[in-house]
Amino acid sequence: DAGVIQSPRHEVTEMGQEVTLRCKPISGHDYLFWYRQTMMRGLELLIYFNNNVPIDDSGMPEDRFSAKMPNASFSTLKIQPSEPRDSAVYFCASSSVRERGGSYNEQFFGPGTRLTVL
Amino acid sequence: KQEVTQIPAALSVPEGENLVLNCSFTDSAIYNLQWFRQDPGKGLTSLLLIQSSQREQTSGRLNASLDKSSGRSTLYIAASQPGDSATYLCAVRYDYKLSFGAGTTVTVRA
Repeated sequence: DAGVIQSPRHEVTEMGQEVTLRCKPISGHDYLFWYRQTMMRGLELLIYFNNNVPIDDSGMPEDRFSAKMPNASFSTLKIQPSEPRDSAVYFCASSSVRERGGSYNEQFFGPGTRLTVL
Repeated sequence: KQEVTQIPAALSVPEGENLVLNCSFTDSAIYNLQWFRQDPGKGLTSLLLIQSSQREQTSGRLNASLDKSSGRSTLYIAASQPGDSATYLCAVRYDYKLSFGAGTTVTVRA
């Protein structure tokens, strides 16, 4: 398996523009997570899905952020409008409770998207 | 809210020395604890996962222990090598969420 795939790897945009980050989880995984990493706040969970359904979006900072998972192999995180304080590395991760006997749930991370908002 | 602390924040050792990285968490009601490695500008690589019912987990030169009652985990890396230089993060799972520590940045000097 190719692992978790994210695109783009780098994104530079101007304040006020819409940004869309994409993620393809590991095939067969039923949980998908979006995280944000900054120097000040470290790694924070934004939202997670189970079987394509959003379960907990309490970490989404504002209404400017939205996430969708239209099918088991694709998810997007959208920021509209973007602001300089959104600059961070955004990670997608996936896991499955069915691996390794049922309750393992090890999370596997993608390479991240480095977002810079000018 | 689960708080995860990693001490020290940075560590520099000569090649060959054993590494000891510490992680503590405030709420012992966890499902598991996962150790990750992060290289500069890269994603996270899962190293070891310890279930809440386990006391330790081993993979090659890596050994992780878990004392859930005291809220502590330790990652041991035997006979360190320059290639072990990276940031090591621990994360505890509660519900289906992971709560991360800030990491320990390790430098192994040749």
